[in-house]
Amino acid sequence: DAGVIQSPRHEVTEMGQEVTLRCKPISGHNSLFWYRQTMMRGLELLIYFNNNVPIDDSGMPEDRFSAKMPNASFSTLKIQPSEPRDSAVYFCASSFHTGNTIYFGEGSWLTVV
Amino acid sequence: AQRVTQPEKLLSVFKGAPVELKCNYSYSGSPELFWYVQYSRQRLQLLLRHISRESIKGFTADLNKGETSFHLKKPFAQEEDSAMYYCALSPNTGFQKLVFGTGTRLLVSP
Repeated sequence: DAGVIQSPRHEVTEMGQEVTLRCKPISGHNSLFWYRQTMMRGLELLIYFNNNVPIDDSGMPEDRFSAKMPNASFSTLKIQPSEPRDSAVYFCASSFHTGNTIYFGEGSWLTVV
Repeated sequence: AQRVTQPEKLLSVFKGAPVELKCNYSYSGSPELFWYVQYSRQRLQLLLRHISRESIKGFTADLNKGETSFHLKKPFAQEEDSAMYYCALSPNTGFQKLVFGTGTRLLVSP
């Protein structure tokens, strides 16, 4: 398995633009997580899904952020409109529902100027 | 509420020196504890988990419920150990969710 696949790997965008980050979890995994990593705050859980259903989105910073999981093999994290303070690395991760090990993607490096 | 505390942002040691990366947690139940490692510009990887009680790359970690700690140790650090280390807690409530500490950067100098 290629592991968790994220795209784009790097994105630079202007403030106010819409940003869409994509994730393909490991096949067979039914839990999916979006994390944000910054120097100041480390790794923060934004939202996680189980069987495509959002379970906990309390970490989503504000209404500008939204996440969807239309099927078991695809999820998106959207920021609209983007702001410079959204600059961070966004990690997607997946796991089996009954397992403990969470596998991370390589991250999407977002810079908003 | 679940919380993981890693008090050191940076730990700098010389090659061959012992290493201890501190991790304390707060959780009312029986959590599962993990250490993840992130080498430069790479994805986070699971290093070890407390229920496995194993040694990976010479690292060990013991869960101390009395002190609510899960410190990561290695007797002799190597340059290739330089990385970001994250301690994480899973509430073990059925849904797998990790709460991370803020991480400690380990720098091993020759």
